[in-house]
Amino acid sequence: GNSVTQMEGPVTLSEEAFLTINCTYTATGYPSLFWYVQYPGEGLQLLLKATKADDKGSNKGFEATYRKETTSFHLEKGSVQVSDSAVYFCALSDRDYKLSFGAGTTVTVRA
Amino acid sequence: KAGVTQTPRYLIKTRGQQVTLSCSPISGHRSVSWYQQTPGQGLQFLFEYFSETQRNKGNFPGRFSGRQFSNSRSEMNVSTLELGDSALYLCASSSLAGGPQETQYFGPGTRLLVL
Repeated sequence: GNSVTQMEGPVTLSEEAFLTINCTYTATGYPSLFWYVQYPGEGLQLLLKATKADDKGSNKGFEATYRKETTSFHLEKGSVQVSDSAVYFCALSDRDYKLSFGAGTTVTVRA
Repeated sequence: KAGVTQTPRYLIKTRGQQVTLSCSPISGHRSVSWYQQTPGQGLQFLFEYFSETQRNKGNFPGRFSGRQFSNSRSEMNVSTLELGDSALYLCASSSLAGGPQETQYFGPGTRLLVL
């Protein structure tokens, strides 16, 4: 079946530091890949997505590239802010009408 | 456009009771999915509906059920509540046919506490 493995946290960074969260996946078909973010007490918000190999998703300074050869979709941001403190989830969607999520990575950015 | 709305936002029940949660998708969206989020199990898929038909179901006991109405609004029901059902229940909607390339937009969730 489909599965997503993402880097375990928590991750603590200083403002303006570089952030990377690793995500790898296993899928039987040709999935779409997503990064969602969850702020305390809220639901999930789409951060970015990529629907085919070599696609790069980007939003709010975050980027991730769909790498089929390494089955990866690592999230990066060059300079984090305190407001980026949240839980980040990598997810994939295949032909079965559902999202399969990683365990989530808690990121804390200190001023 | 208004986002996905879920009611109620918070709920406290006791073991053995049943509960019904409601979800209104984004206007025009016809696919609605439900997920359970717990600290121990993370985010787990419950079921997905499109045009009142359940197309997929996750590995949950039969106590968990759902339905979708002709206006795409959806409800999920949990009968004979157990302590382990305490969780954040998230609803998500997507447009068109809800295929793998489409984005699922999430509501704020209903936080259920079972005592």
